[in-house]
Amino acid sequence: KNEVEQSPQNLTAQEGEFITINCSYSVGISALHWLQQHPGGGIVSLFMLSSGKKKHGRLIATINIQEKHSSLHITASHPRDSAVYICAVTGPVSNTGNQFYFGTGTSLTVIP
Amino acid sequence: DARVTQTPRHKVTEMGQEVTMRCQPILGHNTVFWYRQTMMQGLELLAYFRNRAPLDDSGMPKDRFSAEMPDATLATLKIQPSEPRDSAVYFCASGFGNEQFFGPGTRLTVL
Repeated sequence: KNEVEQSPQNLTAQEGEFITINCSYSVGISALHWLQQHPGGGIVSLFMLSSGKKKHGRLIATINIQEKHSSLHITASHPRDSAVYICAVTGPVSNTGNQFYFGTGTSLTVIP
Repeated sequence: DARVTQTPRHKVTEMGQEVTMRCQPILGHNTVFWYRQTMMQGLELLAYFRNRAPLDDSGMPKDRFSAEMPDATLATLKIQPSEPRDSAVYFCASGFGNEQFFGPGTRLTVL
């Protein structure tokens, strides 16, 4: 049983397309993270959110706490957006720390 | 340009040898995380420190792995003895609260 499920696993898009990656989780959380991992292996934290919506450039992340669901949108996609996008959640904060759960990632390829 | 640094970037060793990976977190960050990434398991949290105190190391095999923060500028992850199944990329991340900045990773190959 995976606490975090992502869909789709793989996604191919034409340059300029609007892209949506979905993440559903089954645990109580204090925050949800979207991570980007490029083919070279480096990981960048794109967003950390606990409610509502955040926007950074062409990237938009939304979260619905009641439905335990988050989406990552990329507008006007570009080949440089090709990467693996990982959804991760942190459980409620406690004196013993947080629990972290990771999705298996969505591999995005944007074709020129 | 502050960033998390990890050394070594690549390590090849033989089964049974001790491996030490080092991480220098970004100055001022109060949380440090160690992750392992493999093709089979994806990303897994191994250990988590807040203000240098270990808060969660439940993801770490205790018999062979140990994580420490001897001071605020250094976090270490040791494997002794190493096994081929430990081959993976090990990432360190530092942050404040839930925010995280990842290091470039150490690619470990145990033969």
